[in-house]
Amino acid sequence: EDQVTQSPEALRLQEGESSSLNCSYTVSGLRGLFWYRQDPGKGPEFLFTLYSAGEEKEKERLKATLTKKESFLHITAPKPEDSATYLCAVQAEGAQKLVFGQGTRLTINP
Amino acid sequence: DTEVTQTPKHLVMGMTNKKSLKCEQHMGHRAMYWYKQKAKKPPELMFVYSYEKLSINESVPSRFSPECPNSSLLNLHLHALQPEDSALYLCASSQRVDYGYTFGSGTRLTVV
Repeated sequence: EDQVTQSPEALRLQEGESSSLNCSYTVSGLRGLFWYRQDPGKGPEFLFTLYSAGEEKEKERLKATLTKKESFLHITAPKPEDSATYLCAVQAEGAQKLVFGQGTRLTINP
Repeated sequence: DTEVTQTPKHLVMGMTNKKSLKCEQHMGHRAMYWYKQKAKKPPELMFVYSYEKLSINESVPSRFSPECPNSSLLNLHLHALQPEDSALYLCASSQRVDYGYTFGSGTRLTVV
């Protein structure tokens, strides 16, 4: 069974304090790994898709990396507006649905 | 247009009411989805439509009835809901069922 585990469950940082969020996964043939950002009461906002081990993608202060067993979302010099829940999801080859992790609630204090 | 639009944004309904949630996208995506999300939990898949045909029903109770009138529209008809059905209902679309999704902002449903 495909599975996604995110850690930590919650993370509180000071503004400018860089850190990483982890997404460990088991899947029967990876089609893609997805990172989303979700603000309270809103729908998930797409951030990145990673398809193969070694791939990296960047957007502003965020950088996503992928290995055969896990993905990291690195946040460099975060700002309070980066506070949100970050969701990781995987899609197996031939599967029609995403399997989501429980998310990491990130809070950036000014 | 790179958006998935959901209406209404908020809905309060009684347990005997019938209501519908609407979802629209104009990105030419051929797969559309309904997800349900409870507070502090990840989204849970309810239904998948591929090329306007229902391809996945995740054992959702019959009080939820999906409809895909055309490739741009997706509806979710609600009838005789229970208070535990209160949640954020998310619509999403993708180019194909094996591509990543674009989510709408959701409908916050409260059943009283």
